[in-house]
Amino acid sequence: ETGVTQSPTHLIKTRGQQVTLRCSSQSGHNTVSWYQQALGQGPQFIFQYYREEENGRGNFPPRFSGLQFPNYSSELNVNALELDDSALYLCASSVDRATNEKLFFGSGTQLSVL
Amino acid sequence: GENVEQHPSTLSVQEGDSAVIKCTYSDSASNYFPWYKQELGKGPQLIIDIRSNVGEKKDQRIAVTLNKTAKHFSLHITETQPEDSAVYFCAATPPYNNDMRFGAGTRLTVKP
Repeated sequence: ETGVTQSPTHLIKTRGQQVTLRCSSQSGHNTVSWYQQALGQGPQFIFQYYREEENGRGNFPPRFSGLQFPNYSSELNVNALELDDSALYLCASSVDRATNEKLFFGSGTQLSVL
Repeated sequence: GENVEQHPSTLSVQEGDSAVIKCTYSDSASNYFPWYKQELGKGPQLIIDIRSNVGEKKDQRIAVTLNKTAKHFSLHITETQPEDSAVYFCAATPPYNNDMRFGAGTRLTVKP
């Protein structure tokens, strides 16, 4: 059984650019959630995907968008990057229900915006 | 929406002692309360969780208690070991959305 994997592990971008982060969910999990974790803070919910549909969104602007594919893997896209977007982006998967119970997190993508 | 506060922000204990971390939440509708452990360079790992219809749950050296009336819940770690050193997060989720709110974290250091 493979866990949640994220790529890339680190990324450096400049302000105004666009970025795509990728996540493969744990085997058997069909729900993927994305979180932003600023340094020294707890994760903050961005959005969740369940069976390829967005299933809830936190307080993030539309330039944060996502996709889920038929194999349940997911992408997070951020357009028009701002300095404050620098953070650890975490993907989490859960099994067969569109809730936040028993989330399994990946190790994250560390994004630096210069 | 839900707001979760966590205390203390840092906690240092001697190996073998107990550690207690406390969280309060604001939304009385919240019904699921997990605790996560995050080690350096890794994502958060679920260590224990509790639903609102249960007052206490224990798993070996780890226990969680929930007081719905006071809207607070606590993590108890007994017989601490150096490998328990990490950042611990509490979280709360209401049933009407998937916006799980995390506390700001507690950095636990267990000194050998």
